[in-house]
Amino acid sequence: DTAVSQTPKYLVTQMGNDKSIKCEQNLGHDTMYWYKQDSKKFLKIMFSYNNKELIINETVPNRFSPKSPDKAHLNLHINSLELGDSAVYFCASSQVGGVYSYEQYFGPGTRLTVT
Amino acid sequence: QKEVEQNSGPLSVPEGAIASLNCTYSDRGSQSFFWYRQYSGKSPELIMFIYSNGDKEDGRFTAQLNKASQYVSLLIRDSQPSDSATYLCAPQRGAGNMLTFGGGTRLMVKP
Repeated sequence: DTAVSQTPKYLVTQMGNDKSIKCEQNLGHDTMYWYKQDSKKFLKIMFSYNNKELIINETVPNRFSPKSPDKAHLNLHINSLELGDSAVYFCASSQVGGVYSYEQYFGPGTRLTVT
Repeated sequence: QKEVEQNSGPLSVPEGAIASLNCTYSDRGSQSFFWYRQYSGKSPELIMFIYSNGDKEDGRFTAQLNKASQYVSLLIRDSQPSDSATYLCAPQRGAGNMLTFGGGTRLMVKP
């Protein structure tokens, strides 16, 4: 049973297109995240949703719009794709609560290539 | 200054040796500290986390935390070739369990 799944695994598209990446978790967690890992392998938080509410929104261009239809799903829509958007996008989930934190479980990643 | 600093490596150790991975962070509000391992082309997976000053051991892994020095480390005893990967340090702070990842240290364990 896959804990955190993402589709598609690979996405190749041209500049200017709009694309979406989907994420689902079956762990019963209340919080989900999107991360971007660039070519230098630097992993950076983009967004986080807790029970369908946006709680973290780092400095990400407005072309990126997350949507959480329910707490098990967090999708990422990207408008007007640019070359610099090429990266691996990871979805993650965790249970948040208390002073100390719990593990974030990562999905397999979606490798986006913009040509 | 980067929020989380790690030596990018590669750190090369012989099989059976102790690998020592270091991390410094700038945010004194960080509460917990996570170490993730990432194999090439794969997603990060948790090795261990620590939130109290001192040492925490789990099998061949020991995490060390010194909040006064804003320093956290990971020791891997009896290193195996299968430990060859990039190790990511990630302090956690604030609402939503926000993790800030360092650039990672690439570890190579040679048979």
